[in-house]
Amino acid sequence: QVQLVQSGAEVKKPGASVKVACKTSGYTFSKYGINWVRQAPGQGLEWMGWISTYKGETSYAQNLQGRVTMTTDTSTTTAYMELRSLRSDDTALYYCVRDRCSGDCSSGFDPWGQGTLVTVSS
Amino acid sequence: EIVLTQSPATLSLSPGDSATLSCWASQSVGSSVAWYQQKPGRAPRLLIYDASNRATGIPGRFSGSGSGTDFTLTISSLEPEDFAVYYCQQRNSWPPRITFGQGTRLEIK
Repeated sequence: QVQLVQSGAEVKKPGASVKVACKTSGYTFSKYGINWVRQAPGQGLEWMGWISTYKGETSYAQNLQGRVTMTTDTSTTTAYMELRSLRSDDTALYYCVRDRCSGDCSSGFDPWGQGTLVTVSS
Repeated sequence: EIVLTQSPATLSLSPGDSATLSCWASQSVGSSVAWYQQKPGRAPRLLIYDASNRATGIPGRFSGSGSGTDFTLTISSLEPEDFAVYYCQQRNSWPPRITFGQGTRLEIK
């Protein structure tokens, strides 16, 4: 079955960087885009960006432009999200999630990874 | 950026009731709207895509409607497991620019 398994929890100091991995399996990796979504404690969902696993094209949320980089490794079918210059308000659960359909998918994310807790604290 | 506004923020109902959740977009998004259910400690679950299509395995009591700027998620005859937080999401343009609504909490009355 389709699975997205994320790397473990991280604790970082303000100003540091974090890189979260999302290992995929059960489908053809290059056919579906990958999104990253985060959720601060007790808050709603925030889309961070999308990467095409076929061409490596990216689209980032405006408020994260310049601090976030999304990449993929097709040899290991793994997606990565790196966030730099971390602040306390970056403390959140970070999810990777696949586009529901291949190509220019109209809507819907499915399935989701289990989430990676990133804590930013001095 | 397209802003999605969900209403109400909290909805208090009893099992067996029908729930109507609304989502408004600040500009037209066609039918590119999805709905998710999230329970505490769990990742969101896709319920509806393309405004009105149920995702695989989603019970028939969940239905979505709307297009343009106004969207609705209806849950008929609420089951105890339906009490959760619900989010709408839009996907617009290429490359994708995506936003979520702030969520509606459906609680037991």
